[in-house]
Amino acid sequence: DSGVTQTPKHLITATGQRVTLRCSPRSGDLSVYWYQQSLDQGLQFLIQYYNGEERAKGNILERFSAQQFPDLHSELNLSSLELGDSALYFCASSRGQSYNEQFFGPGTRLTVL
Amino acid sequence: AQSVTQLGSHVSVSEGALVLLRCNYSSSVPPYLFWYVQYPNQGLQLLLKYTSAATLVKGINGFEAEFKKSETSFHLTKPSAHMSDAAEYFCAVSDSGGGADGLTFGKGTHLIIQP
Repeated sequence: DSGVTQTPKHLITATGQRVTLRCSPRSGDLSVYWYQQSLDQGLQFLIQYYNGEERAKGNILERFSAQQFPDLHSELNLSSLELGDSALYFCASSRGQSYNEQFFGPGTRLTVL
Repeated sequence: AQSVTQLGSHVSVSEGALVLLRCNYSSSVPPYLFWYVQYPNQGLQLLLKYTSAATLVKGINGFEAEFKKSETSFHLTKPSAHMSDAAEYFCAVSDSGGGADGLTFGKGTHLIIQP
């Protein structure tokens, strides 16, 4: 158990819908990262937040957004969902901003029908 | 831009044999390198990391990796494979160039252990 929690475990929805994925980092970790894992694209970095502020952006679509709240939990919002958005979404957390070990949560499996 | 290449999407070894998983990286600055393992239906677990200290890095579960700058490689090894090592292994790089600190992952190598 990494100490990172993600909810829900599974999510099934329809095209065009909007969903929110939630992540709680390990106690004391200030950075939260979001990754997408799909068969086509592999594991891709989406976005990083550090202590409530956006720190780095990866291959995140404009339809996707994230935020980190004062209690340091984070939410990833996916809107106008397409079939191709079906994937495993992982959250990871680390102590600081850079070069720190990232601890991964168990993931949320999103299925878009 | 940084990138990672993992040679071999599937590697099969016999139980007790040497495990060698290959990883080559590309980075414009001295990199930080990681190996993660993913068991079925689970998240990623860090095996080991290279952060510019010793070039031979020891990790958990008997794994180790050697950073070779001249070959831009960071291959993962384990002297004797165990059935419980069957999993997906990912090599990742981070250079934090320009402030981005997300990890760039390779496509993964599925390790199969034959009894």
